[in-house]
Amino acid sequence: NAGVTQTPKFQVLKTGQSMTLQCAQDMNHEYMSWYRQDPGMGLRLIHYSVGAGITDQGEVPNGYNVSRSTTEDFPLRLLSAAPSQTSVYFCASRATGSRIYEQYFGPGTRLTVT
Amino acid sequence: AQSVAQPEDQVNVAEGNPLTVKCTYSVSGNPYLFWYVQYPNRGLQFLLKYITGDNLVKGSYGFEAEFNKSQTSFHLKKPSALVSDSALYFCAVPPTDSWGKFQFGAGTQVVVTP
Repeated sequence: NAGVTQTPKFQVLKTGQSMTLQCAQDMNHEYMSWYRQDPGMGLRLIHYSVGAGITDQGEVPNGYNVSRSTTEDFPLRLLSAAPSQTSVYFCASRATGSRIYEQYFGPGTRLTVT
Repeated sequence: AQSVAQPEDQVNVAEGNPLTVKCTYSVSGNPYLFWYVQYPNRGLQFLLKYITGDNLVKGSYGFEAEFNKSQTSFHLKKPSALVSDSALYFCAVPPTDSWGKFQFGAGTQVVVTP
């Protein structure tokens, strides 16, 4: 049981480039989400999904796309990278059906956009 | 709206001394409350949660948290801090339904000095 995995761990992009951050979980969780973490800003929700084929926007969705074709995978796409997207990105998942279930977080992807 | 607040950006404590990280909450209905820890360059890890029952909740790594309904607080405590406890700590409240998003506090940086 690997939990939540993310790739890559580090990435440097040039402004305007696109890329996909990968996230996978092996716990059969319906709920998955993407956060970004910036100094002094805490955790901010980018997008989330409540099951395969169902996604919705969080607090800071602009510049990011997501899709959920399987229960296991929830990739985050940066369409045209900007320096403001330099951040640490975390994927998380949790079981649904009750409010008591904790979230499980991946190890993060540290992205720098130059 | 449900929310949590962490009034301290940073807590400094000497190794061996008691550690307290403060959290206050604003929720409707029965409060469910969580604590997470983030070690340097890692994702968030679940520490403990309050669902119902005893006001003192025991969690991982020797941490415990005290739920106080009259003061709407859920402070994280450890009787004797270790240098390895130096990390970022987040208080969180789960969504009002199982499909919603967690609300995280801004985080408190704990620095334990030898």
